[in-house]
Amino acid sequence: KNEVEQSPQNLTAQEGEFITINCSYSVGISALHWLQQHPGGGIVSLFMLSSGKKKHGRLIATINIQEKHSSLHITASHPRDSAVYICAALSYGTGTASKLTFGTGTRLQVTL
Amino acid sequence: DGGITQSPKYLFRKEGQNVTLSCEQNLNHDAMYWYRQDPGQGLRLIYYSQIVNDFQKGDIAEGYSVSREKKESFPLTVTSAQKNPTAFYLCASIPPGRANTEAFFGQGTRLTVV
Repeated sequence: KNEVEQSPQNLTAQEGEFITINCSYSVGISALHWLQQHPGGGIVSLFMLSSGKKKHGRLIATINIQEKHSSLHITASHPRDSAVYICAALSYGTGTASKLTFGTGTRLQVTL
Repeated sequence: DGGITQSPKYLFRKEGQNVTLSCEQNLNHDAMYWYRQDPGQGLRLIYYSQIVNDFQKGDIAEGYSVSREKKESFPLTVTSAQKNPTAFYLCASIPPGRANTEAFFGQGTRLTVV
């Protein structure tokens, strides 16, 4: 079992729909990142969360530390949101290296 | 603004040639990391460095080499010994360990070997 699991793996939505992508992790973390990768493109960091909720435009990220679960929501989805969304768990190392563990990503396709 | 710069964004090389991917940061971070992404898989750790002149192998280090002569720079060389070098490569850095710390990411380099 991977230390970081994302669901769904693939998601197709129509423009305007509300989208939720989930990330569950089994490791202790100091922070969780949500990243975006457009087809053939580079990585863009969307959020870093250690507790609660953050919002940026139409994107909302939440985290529940007790349940070891985070969600990324996209409101009023648009075709330009089509991308792979990746969560990454950052484990703080005391005396050892900090460690990033990545989920396999959720491929989102938003159609007109 | 502080950040991580990876260059180039796209890179093409002939099979059998070594190629070096650049990663530079001006964040004053000690720890730097290289990851590889293959289609349908999560990013996997190749090498990391916690301090200048020191680095450690990650999960998939075979066929790769790194150096850390300066705090700001952590170049990755994909050698001819790497059997499947075509992939997306991501560099990251993390500030000194503490709670609520934030990782920083480069944009990545997409390497195609023909």
